[in-house]
Amino acid sequence: EIVMTQSPATLSVSPGERATLSCWASQSIGINLAWYQQKPGQAPRLLIYGASTRATGIPARFGGSGSGTEFTLTISSLQSEDFAVYYCQQYNDWPRAFGQGTKVEIK
Amino acid sequence: QVQLVESGGGVVQPGRSLRLTCAASGFTFTNYAMHWVRQAPGKGLEWVADTSYDGTNKNYADSVKGRFTISRDNSKKTLYLQMNSLSSDDTAVYYCTRGAAVYAIEEGFDFWGQGTLVTVSS
Repeated sequence: EIVMTQSPATLSVSPGERATLSCWASQSIGINLAWYQQKPGQAPRLLIYGASTRATGIPARFGGSGSGTEFTLTISSLQSEDFAVYYCQQYNDWPRAFGQGTKVEIK
Repeated sequence: QVQLVESGGGVVQPGRSLRLTCAASGFTFTNYAMHWVRQAPGKGLEWVADTSYDGTNKNYADSVKGRFTISRDNSKKTLYLQMNSLSSDDTAVYYCTRGAAVYAIEEGFDFWGQGTLVTVSS
């Protein structure tokens, strides 16, 4: 079973600054990785799939990179609407697995 | 537009059963794998189960294997999750979400329902 680990658990960032979130897989998953954003009381929203491809309607300030076991989500200039919890998820094998999440909060 | 609407949640006693339903619209339901994902209060996301586009292949998380059954009725564009032998650990919001299109590479879960809350309590 593949285990996904995210770091840090909480990231405090000022609006306009850059945020870098990390995600590791316990074994290689190629680029079969997605990132989701979740705001309180809402369902998750797909941001990135294939490790680096933005989903439909996702702003260019969201960028994904990595392959194998190490992945990164970068938000180039945080906007007020970007403060949320972010999850990575592997879809290379079953069971599908999510990381535990990174909360991006206002500094 | 794509819509996924879950229903069937509620309060249930430990050991009892509940069936969740997800009504799909706005896309060709028969062409997509479908998943259930849950989220316990204040916790992260947990993948629960999935079914292939035609219902022939199904997979489950170890935490629900043998107790939960995923199924679909393509004629009704509806996804189900039958949950038996419920315990307090199953208390969560349950989301229905769309997976990969048939004959296409997987691209994450691109549409989600609003979720339905299941509370297991005596």
